[in-house]
Amino acid sequence: AQTVTQSQPEMSVQEAETVTLSCTYDTSESNYYLFWYKQPPSRQMILVIRQEAYKQQNATENRFSVNFQKAAKSFSLKISDSQLGDTAMYFCAFMKHVVGGNKLVFGAGTILRVKS
Amino acid sequence: DTGVSQDPRHKITKRGQNVTFRCDPISEHNRLYWYRQTLGQGPEFLTYFQNEAQLEKSRLLSDRFSAERPKGSFSTLEIQRTEQGDSAMYLCASSMGRGETQYFGPGTRLLVL
Repeated sequence: AQTVTQSQPEMSVQEAETVTLSCTYDTSESNYYLFWYKQPPSRQMILVIRQEAYKQQNATENRFSVNFQKAAKSFSLKISDSQLGDTAMYFCAFMKHVVGGNKLVFGAGTILRVKS
Repeated sequence: DTGVSQDPRHKITKRGQNVTFRCDPISEHNRLYWYRQTLGQGPEFLTYFQNEAQLEKSRLLSDRFSAERPKGSFSTLEIQRTEQGDSAMYLCASSMGRGETQYFGPGTRLLVL
């Protein structure tokens, strides 16, 4: 069974600093997708970044980048130049294939607090 | 382009009552998903539609839960004879196709008293 583990329940970072959120997953599939979603307090979940497993190059979206280590089944998120608006719960997710489609398997999340 | 919308945003009900939630996906998306999120946890998959066909259901979806997507557009999730354990955020997401990113709605927060 596919599982996603986020080992850091909470993290704090000073504004403008860099922080890395950890995620490991377990799967027997060879081709899959990984995601980081952000859920601000009382607001909806939004996509931060997406990685296709067949791509060796790490995905980057502005201040957000990932370190994808396929052999180690590790998918960490790096946030550079942290901003107060980055304060949120961050979820790592694995896209699992099901009949005719797919579904997301989420980790338990990491609460990130950006301090001024 | 509007995103995924859900209605209502909040619902308080008494144990034993039936409730129904609605999700309107992004217009060109043919795939629609329901997830449940309890406080402090990640969302858990409930069910999935491709157009009007319900293709996958989680074991979490007991007999009291039913979901429909008539005409492959909006979807409804009904919970019959609600229990306190049903209290959660119910999230809807949609995507363009297989392997495509799922975009989430704001959720419906259910509280069963």
